[in-house]
Amino acid sequence: KQEVTQIPAALSVPEGENLVLNCSFTDSAIYNLQWFRQDPGKGLTSLLLIQSSQREQTSGRLNASLDKSSGRSTLYIAASQPGDSATYLCAGALGSARQLTFGSGTQLTVLP
Amino acid sequence: NAGVTQTPKFRILKIGQSMTLQCAQDMNHNYMYWYRQDPGMGLKLIYYSVGAGITDKGEVPNGYNVSRSTTEDFPLRLELAAPSQTSVYFCASTVNRVETQYFGPGTRLLVL
Repeated sequence: KQEVTQIPAALSVPEGENLVLNCSFTDSAIYNLQWFRQDPGKGLTSLLLIQSSQREQTSGRLNASLDKSSGRSTLYIAASQPGDSATYLCAGALGSARQLTFGSGTQLTVLP
Repeated sequence: NAGVTQTPKFRILKIGQSMTLQCAQDMNHNYMYWYRQDPGMGLKLIYYSVGAGITDKGEVPNGYNVSRSTTEDFPLRLELAAPSQTSVYFCASTVNRVETQYFGPGTRLLVL
């Protein structure tokens, strides 16, 4: 059974700082690894999707990496802004329908 | 287009009552999913569907039923509500197995 862990559970940083969020998974046979953002009381917004054959993906100030052999993914946020404050969830896709197994998330607060 | 829509936004049920959570998407996506999210936790997969007429169980299917008679709609049925089903329910869809999943805004359910 796939298990996904995110550390830390919460993180508070001053504005402008670069930061890294961590995600680890137990089953390296994942088809892809996805990062989502969740604002309070809202649904999930997809940030980045890394296919199993890829090592990283970039979108603006965000960069996500994937190391299947070690069972790890990281989300790097450059020059953080207060608007980046949210909960960040990672999820690994397994199965014929690419069912997602989610971590519990990292709650990020960027202080002005 | 509206993307993934869910109704109702919030509902209070008494123990033993039944209800249907509605989910619809207008993107002609084949794959649809139901997740539940308990406070401070990640999402857990309840049921999924790879096309009209085809459904399968996820990680936590007990107490729920689904049907998929059309591509657009994927309702989730709770037959005998229990306090353990108090949660936020998210519906998601994707066009194929390599694209990201798009999430609805969620339905908050309270069972008393």
